[in-house]
Amino acid sequence: GAVVSQHPSWVICKSGTSVKIECRSLDFQATTMFWYRQFPKQSLMLMATSNEGSKATYEQGVEKDKFLINHASLTLSTLTVTSAHPEDSSFYICSARGQGPQTQYFGPGTRLLVL
Amino acid sequence: GQNIDQPTEMTATEGAIVQINCTYQTSGFNGLFWYQQHAGEAPTFLSYNVLDGLEEKGRFSSFLSRSKGYSYLLLKELQMKDSASYLCATSNGYNKLIFGAGTRLAVHP
Repeated sequence: GAVVSQHPSWVICKSGTSVKIECRSLDFQATTMFWYRQFPKQSLMLMATSNEGSKATYEQGVEKDKFLINHASLTLSTLTVTSAHPEDSSFYICSARGQGPQTQYFGPGTRLLVL
Repeated sequence: GQNIDQPTEMTATEGAIVQINCTYQTSGFNGLFWYQQHAGEAPTFLSYNVLDGLEEKGRFSSFLSRSKGYSYLLLKELQMKDSASYLCATSNGYNKLIFGAGTRLAVHP
């Protein structure tokens, strides 16, 4: 089946630093990738939609200058949390969509802790 | 806008049947998904309904009524490993997934 990887799986950083998270579709080409954030005991909140070769579309309330998204190829999207603060600590999950509405596959997630 | 409601928590006994309901209001509808999520892990796909009716897949079944904005996930022959959060999500015309808050299911012996 389709596999989506994320790297790193865990990251701990100091407040004010930037963190880059990679999302890769390993065995299929993903025209669209999505980035979600999940706080403890809450559901997934869509942050942005990433389309290969074009600018990401951000959901209302998500700061595009803080959460930089780059979808450089059909198999890779990156999320950079710039100038991270403790309130950015969360579980970040990406998903990749192939052809058709059913084919959305989730990565294993990246847990970010900002000290 | 989008609004998805599902119960916060449910408990059930091993071997029993449990039904998790989901009601939704969306602008644009392109199907309803159910995902399972164990604590600390990413969601895994369970089912997808775009037409009215029941879709059965092993121990899990999912039902959709578009006119009522209603879906349910039915889990049969519950096992301890089914203890997890179950997320209802709708797909809109742009194929974005909007998730409900999730239902935490606890299965007891």
